[in-house]
Amino acid sequence: KAGVTQTPRYLIKTRGQQVTLSCSPISGHRSVSWYQQTPGQGLQFLFEYFSETQRNKGNFPGRFSGRQFSNSRSEMNVSTLELGDSALYLCASSLIGDYGYTFGSGTRLTVV
Amino acid sequence: GQQVMQIPQYQHVQEGEDFTTYCNSSTTLSNIQWYKQRPGGHPVFLIQLVKSGEVKKQKRLTFQFGEAKKNSSLHITATQTTDVGTYFCAGDLGETSGSRLTFGEGTQLTVNP
Repeated sequence: KAGVTQTPRYLIKTRGQQVTLSCSPISGHRSVSWYQQTPGQGLQFLFEYFSETQRNKGNFPGRFSGRQFSNSRSEMNVSTLELGDSALYLCASSLIGDYGYTFGSGTRLTVV
Repeated sequence: GQQVMQIPQYQHVQEGEDFTTYCNSSTTLSNIQWYKQRPGGHPVFLIQLVKSGEVKKQKRLTFQFGEAKKNSSLHITATQTTDVGTYFCAGDLGETSGSRLTFGEGTQLTVNP
């Protein structure tokens, strides 16, 4: 079966712009989580969605937001981009969120 | 907030040697998960431990969850070049419904053939 699909794979944006990243989970998976990975901070939890509801949120500023649609697809948005937002953004899906996650290949965002 | 510490940060071994990475949480965990990330890749789920003192094996890999559910380890016997990558532990407090994983910093394993 198809894995977790993230688009786009790469993005270059300018400071102050906003960006939307997309994630299609494995078919049937209803829990979708987002993580930010950087060399300095490692893997940090952004948020988790289940049945279109945000169940958990990490310690990121309000510029980071997300949503989940009825088909479980998810998007995350970052507004007013800063240089420090440059990172690999990973989406991961799980059946209901009580077991291990399957990660997508990520979207590498570069802010210049 | 919750912290998950992982040591060592780097480990270089000769092929055939054993490897162990350790994970410690500042708080009691509901469960702990282990992931492997190959260079340039994304994390791949290896296993989840839930019970106090639990030990699970996957071929050459042995995973342990401490009695207090605050520490865990991953041991690889007789490493192979295919074991190269970064191994992450990820703990879940279980305080809320759903999942909120706190990842350790990872142990980067290199294997010399």
